[in-house]
Parts: sequence; structure tokens; C-alpha cells
Amino acid sequence: DSGVTQTPKHLITATGQRVTLRCSPRSGDLSVYWYQQSLDQGLQFLIQYYNGEERAKGNILERFSAQQFPDLHSELNLSSLELGDSALYFCASSPRGTSGGRTDTQYFGPGTRLTVL
Amino acid sequence: DAKTTQPPSMDCAEGRAANLPCNHSTISGNEYVYWYRQIHSQGPQYIIHGLKNNETNEMASLIITEDRKSSTLILPHATLRDTAVYYCIVRVYQTGANNLFFGTGTRLTVIP
Repeated sequence: DSGVTQTPKHLITATGQRVTLRCSPRSGDLSVYWYQQSLDQGLQFLIQYYNGEERAKGNILERFSAQQFPDLHSELNLSSLELGDSALYFCASSPRGTSGGRTDTQYFGPGTRLTVL
Repeated sequence: DAKTTQPPSMDCAEGRAANLPCNHSTISGNEYVYWYRQIHSQGPQYIIHGLKNNETNEMASLIITEDRKSSTLILPHATLRDTAVYYCIVRVYQTGANNLFFGTGTRLTVIP
């Protein structure tokens, strides 16, 4: 158990709909990351938040957005869903994710499996 | 981040040591080597990381060559539960961006 929790575990929805995935980081971790894993793309970084602020962006679609709240939990919002958005969505957290010249290991949650029909 | 090359698959007999190689010939001086594994569709699990010295923890050992162009992850006594995809990642620690770039990894199958 990494200490990172994600809800829900499974989500089935229809095309065009909007969903929200939730992530609670490990106690004390300030950074949250979102990754997408689809069958044909492997694990891809979407976005990082550090202490409530967006820190880095990867291959995140404009239909997707995220935020990190004052209690440090994060939500990933996916809208206008398409069949191709079906994937596993993982959240990870790390203590820092910021400068300092030190390593900052990420710990992953169990993921949310999204199925778009 | 430097690119890594791993064999797509490997087999290992249960109880034997599993040695997973990773080539990172373009690694820079400030880039760390990280290893994660993913069992079936679970979240990636952190295993170990290192910069230039060999490292050991309760899960595995990491051997980094002196020129740092390659490394080997060693699982000393592989069990069936070690069957997973193992990812070798090299990354520089820099201000802000801390995301990991996962390649295709090595699928390790532990055989009874």
C-alpha cells in the first residue's frame, strides 16, 4: 500500500459525458501527478500540481483539467468523453516536486479504470 | 531525460536471482536511475533508485556501472509475485518538472 488513494476504482460512462476522478496523496506529500495508461500508449504523464498550483503539463487534452485543493487532494476532470479516453488513470504523489537538487520519489495510487461506451 | 533501452521480456526460475539490464548510454552526470514495476494493471510500484553508487534495499539491489551507461536491477530470490513489467527510468531532478517518462519496460515472468 503506497498511501495514495484514488476513487472510484471503476467508472463506466457514455461518450460526451463528464467525470471527476479523485486522488488523496500520501500524508505530507505536497505534489500530485496524474498519468494516463491506455493499451496503445503506455504510461503518459498528464499534469503535476505542487501545493495547489500547477507545476508541469504533459500530454493533457484541453478537454481535461485538474486542480489541487487546500487539503492537497486533487481531482482530474474529464469532459466531452470519447471512446479513446478509456484508460487507467493513475495519481502519484511526492514530498516535494520542486527545486533543491534532491531526488523526489513518486508513489502511485491503485488507479481508476475509466470505460467510455 | 535520457533514453533507456530494456529487453522486452525475460524469464526467471522461482527462487533464482533475476537480473534485469538497462542501457542508458546518454545519461548525464546529474541524472538518477529509477526502477519501478507494474504488476498486472496495478499502480506502478517504486523499487529503488541511484545516482552512481550501488544501492540495496529490502526489495532489490541496483548495480550501476562505473561509466553510468548501464545498470542492472537484481531481485535476489524471485518469487511468482515478482512477475511484472519493470521500468528503468533516468531523470534529472530539476525545478518544477518532476514527471517520469515510462518506456515499454521489461516483462519479467517468474516460472515455478
